[in-house]
Amino acid sequence: GAGVSQSPSNKVTEKGKDVELRCDPISGHTALYWYRQSLGQGLEFLIYFQGNSAPDKSGLPSDRFSAERTGGSVSTLTIQRTQQEDSAVYLCASSPGAAEETQYFGPGTRLLVL
Amino acid sequence: GQQLNQSPQSMFIQEGEDVSMNCTSSSIFNTWLWYKQDPGEGPVLLIALYKAGELTSNGRLTAQFGITRKDSFLNISASIPSDVGIYFCAGPGTYKYIFGTGTRLKVLA
Repeated sequence: GAGVSQSPSNKVTEKGKDVELRCDPISGHTALYWYRQSLGQGLEFLIYFQGNSAPDKSGLPSDRFSAERTGGSVSTLTIQRTQQEDSAVYLCASSPGAAEETQYFGPGTRLLVL
Repeated sequence: GQQLNQSPQSMFIQEGEDVSMNCTSSSIFNTWLWYKQDPGEGPVLLIALYKAGELTSNGRLTAQFGITRKDSFLNISASIPSDVGIYFCAGPGTYKYIFGTGTRLKVLA
């Protein structure tokens, strides 16, 4: 597609369950980012990929959070043993190359942990 | 580390009014970006600024790159109801862009 896509658009899960969130970046974009946005808050950086490697994982809030990117394209963000405080919108963005280039965002996945 | 502060945090305005918001940094940036996030959507790039003092327009939006390179301003003229949303500034950090906390705009018809 022409833009960044994310799936699912909405996810409701029970506390303690694992969830996987998917991001399809713009074709040809080598840089990919995950952010978290809690209700009424700004964007919290989680992780950055350049190709398949992650030079910056500094934003992952705990070891329950992990992300991978395969084939330099699709990325999956996994949250294990979800907690209620994980409820948020998870946004993915991609940029053509270097991290300094403009980022284009997907619509986000709204996660609700009951 | 680098921080971006946006003000105001939120504002209610009447349709037709002009809006001004700003973003300040604790350090110098070489690029400033302004994004808008509609309710329920991801942020969309509005304007990119690459040079100190630069003034760039996009329709009713005008943004300026402050000459100190530590601030940027966004103005919206003759606001309309669809201007509602959250406006974020962003500047490049190491490996990633740093985003401000956002200015939440509500337009009263």
